[in-house]
Amino acid sequence: ELKVEQNPLFLSMQEGKNYTIYCNYSTTSDRLYWYRQDPGKSLESLFVLLSNGAVKQEGRLMASLDTKARLSTLHITAAVHDLSATYFCAVGRGSTLGRLYFGRGTQLTVWP
Amino acid sequence: DSGVTQTPKHLITATGQRVTLRCSPRSGDLSVYWYQQSLDQGLQFLIQYYNGEERAKGNILERFSAQQFPDLHSELNLSSLELGDSALYFCASSVPHGQGYGYTFGSGTRLTVV
Repeated sequence: ELKVEQNPLFLSMQEGKNYTIYCNYSTTSDRLYWYRQDPGKSLESLFVLLSNGAVKQEGRLMASLDTKARLSTLHITAAVHDLSATYFCAVGRGSTLGRLYFGRGTQLTVWP
Repeated sequence: DSGVTQTPKHLITATGQRVTLRCSPRSGDLSVYWYQQSLDQGLQFLIQYYNGEERAKGNILERFSAQQFPDLHSELNLSSLELGDSALYFCASSVPHGQGYGYTFGSGTRLTVV
C-alpha cells in the first residue's frame, strides 16, 4: 500500500520565520495535493501538483513536487499567526482521481 | 460553504447502537468518498462510490456499510457502535476525471459513542 510520511508532525515557529514541511511517499505518483485543516473544521484545498517540478505559490505558502525523489515540500515564508493549522499532503495514483492517500498531517503553531 | 453537505454535524449515541451519516455531494460531482479521522489513526479512507457504484474500499469495518443513491447522495451506516468508533467522519466529492482538482470536503460529522 502507498505510504505517505510527513515531517515534522508538530511545528512551532515564531512569526516572521521561514520553515519547510516535507512529504515523502513510497510509490511512484505524479499527483500530489496539499490541504489545510483548522481545528474541528473541514479540509480546504491549498495546492494541486500534477507533474514533476511543479511549483505553486499562494501568499506565504509555496509547494513543490519532485516525483523522482517522491518528495513534496510546503515552504512557509515569514509566518504569521493566521497560518496556524494542520497541513496534510495527499497522494493519488492511477489514471483517475480515486482514493487519496493522506499523510498524518503537520500541526503548525505560529506564535508572536 | 464548500457545496458538500453533511448531516448531522454532531451525533452522540450509545455503544451497540446504529447511526446513519448523510452526504450530499457538490452539484456535478459523481464521486463520493468517506474518510474517518481520529487522533490516533489520522485520516483513514473508508469507501468510494462513483455514480451509484462502489469503486474502491479501504479499511472499512464489516459493521460499517455505505451506499450512493440515484440522486448521488450517499449514506454511511455504522452499526454495533463501539467507543473506538468515536471520530470525525468526512465525506468528500469530486468531478469525473478530477485529478486536476482533488477533493472537496464536507464539514464532517462528529460522532461520539458513549
